[in-house]
Amino acid sequence: DADVTQTPRNRITKTGKRIMLECSQTKGHDRMYWYRQDPGLGLRLIYYSFDVKDINKGEISDGYSVSRQAQAKFSLSLESAIPNQTALYFCATQGRHPGELFFGEGSRLTVL
Amino acid sequence: AQSVAQPEDQVNVAEGNPLTVKCTYSVSGNPYLFWYVQYPNRGLQFLLKYITGDNLVKGSYGFEAEFNKSQTSFHLKKPSALVSDSALYFCAVRASGSARQLTFGSGTQLTVLP
Repeated sequence: DADVTQTPRNRITKTGKRIMLECSQTKGHDRMYWYRQDPGLGLRLIYYSFDVKDINKGEISDGYSVSRQAQAKFSLSLESAIPNQTALYFCATQGRHPGELFFGEGSRLTVL
Repeated sequence: AQSVAQPEDQVNVAEGNPLTVKCTYSVSGNPYLFWYVQYPNRGLQFLLKYITGDNLVKGSYGFEAEFNKSQTSFHLKKPSALVSDSALYFCAVRASGSARQLTFGSGTQLTVLP
């Protein structure tokens, strides 16, 4: 089983719909991250969390919200999806070594 | 502010030849530098890092990278490329002692030709 699991892996939705992407991890890490990948732009940080009570905005948080339900679970929500949120979304965790991230397999979201 | 530039979107190399994937960075203070690899339909995987010490860093799968402070570069290298090295490679940086998180480059697609 994967250490960092994302669901769903693929999702097609319509403009205006609410979408939740879920992430769970078995690595026991406190730090969790949500990134967005777009071709030619690399990865951009949406939100990150250092523990259940600590949520921080990344560089592109507008239009997104997150929930850290437990140490192992970190969800990303799009309250009202729009087409330019079509992207590949990654969840990641970080252990003791700064910058060494462990990524999930990604969730591909298409907003029509 | 911190930033990373990967000047080549695509690098092609013949199998058995040496490969280089370029990365330059900008950061206030001392950098922590990283390389990640992404295979098709997979998440990113950590390859190697420079924190301090020896400028030549060795990582997974025979890859290495050289930190050059004067040129603000951290190029990824491998002496002999394999077809299985074909993937998307990302360089990333963060400032040491900073609360800022990693900044990733735009990625370089490496294709190793048989």
